Amino acid sequence: EAGVAQSPRYKIIEKRQSVAFWCNPISGHATLYWYQQILGQGPKLLIQFQNNGVVDDSQLPKDRFSAERLKGVDSTLKIQPAKLEDSAVYLCASSLATHVYNEQFFGPGTRLTVL
Amino acid sequence: DQQVKQNSPSLSVQEGRISILNCDYTNSMFDYFLWYKKYPAEGPTFLISISSIKDKNEDGRFTVFLNKSAKHLSLHIVPSQPGDSAVYFCAARAGNNRKLIWGLGTSLAVNP
Repeated sequence: EAGVAQSPRYKIIEKRQSVAFWCNPISGHATLYWYQQILGQGPKLLIQFQNNGVVDDSQLPKDRFSAERLKGVDSTLKIQPAKLEDSAVYLCASSLATHVYNEQFFGPGTRLTVL
Repeated sequence: DQQVKQNSPSLSVQEGRISILNCDYTNSMFDYFLWYKKYPAEGPTFLISISSIKDKNEDGRFTVFLNKSAKHLSLHIVPSQPGDSAVYFCAARAGNNRKLIWGLGTSLAVNP
């Protein structure tokens, strides 16, 4: 079974530039999560999708971050414009459902460096 | 406000001995707890979980203990192996459809 795919693996940009990350969840997983993990911290949920609907985006900085999950499969996370404090690993995860105790499967992450 | 706390940033043990990783939480509404393991340049992988209706869950070399009155859980790895060297995250959830709240992680080094 293929795991969660993410691209790119690494990205270096200057502040005020824009960047986009792509995630392809495990086939059949209805729930998709984007996390931000700053060095030395645990992952912080940015947004959670159930199919193509948003379940939780309470911690997404909506003035600069946006995410979409068209057709309920792949998802993209965009930052526009980027700030220095956005430097982090962006993790995508998927699970079968949210209403049972299903574990989340993570992709390898995208390491973003903002200069 | 850190609702899930892993107070030991790092832990070093000898191969074959027991590793004990600790996690404390403050939210009494948490009803499900998970441990994830993370290797460098990889995403976290699920290790073991426990529901608040239990006080122990075992899976091979890994056992998680939950003490609800103390709001404390621990992960025991016996015997520890060099391949267990990784960062271990404790995470908790307060009911269905609630997001996971993560600790800061504990870096475990198992020395041959």
